[in-house]
Amino acid sequence: QVQLVQSGAEVKKPGASVKVSCKASGYTFTSYDINWVRQATGQGLEWMGWMNPNSGNTGYAQKFQGRVTMTRNTSISTAYMELSSLRSEDTAVYYCARVSVSVGAFDIWGQGTMVTVSS
Amino acid sequence: DIVMTQTPLSSPVTLGQPASISCRSSQSLVHSDGNTYLSWLQQRPGQPPRLLIYKISNRFSGVPDRFSGSGAGTDFTLKISRVEAEDVGVYYCMQATQFPQTFGQGTKVEIK
Repeated sequence: QVQLVQSGAEVKKPGASVKVSCKASGYTFTSYDINWVRQATGQGLEWMGWMNPNSGNTGYAQKFQGRVTMTRNTSISTAYMELSSLRSEDTAVYYCARVSVSVGAFDIWGQGTMVTVSS
Repeated sequence: DIVMTQTPLSSPVTLGQPASISCRSSQSLVHSDGNTYLSWLQQRPGQPPRLLIYKISNRFSGVPDRFSGSGAGTDFTLKISRVEAEDVGVYYCMQATQFPQTFGQGTKVEIK
């Protein structure tokens, strides 16, 4: 079935970087944009950016410009989100989500990856 | 950025009774292509979000017909005709008409 499977939980120190993966299966990886959304504990959803897996083109929320990089490896149908210069406020669950053009919404979500930033 | 405002933020509901959530955007969500990219997501406790409704009123695959969406322009509504126990969670509206995509604050639906 169509699914996005993310990498496991991470614990990082302030100032470090984290790279979260999102492996797609059940569909043609290069045919759908991948977006990244994060959610701090007990808080709402915050959009971080998008990537076109076919072209590699990206677009980032202004808040994360300069700190986030979204990439992909089409040979293994996997998208990546790397966030650098981590601070405690980056502690959150990070989700990848597929965008379907016909639906115009995030139709498939990964299970989430907990990233904890703590000294 | 387009601001999405949901009301109420909390909705205690009796099982079998209806529930309604409002979402208002700070600008029209009508895209230049004529579509309105307003969707509703459900997030059950401990789960990732799940798409319920897209383009205002279209139910996504597998979504029960007790969920319905309506609205236009800047005002939108999600209705649950008869709330069931499995509907407990937080509901978010989201706009994808204008970059960057933005979400409402979320509405918590709980059983009285």
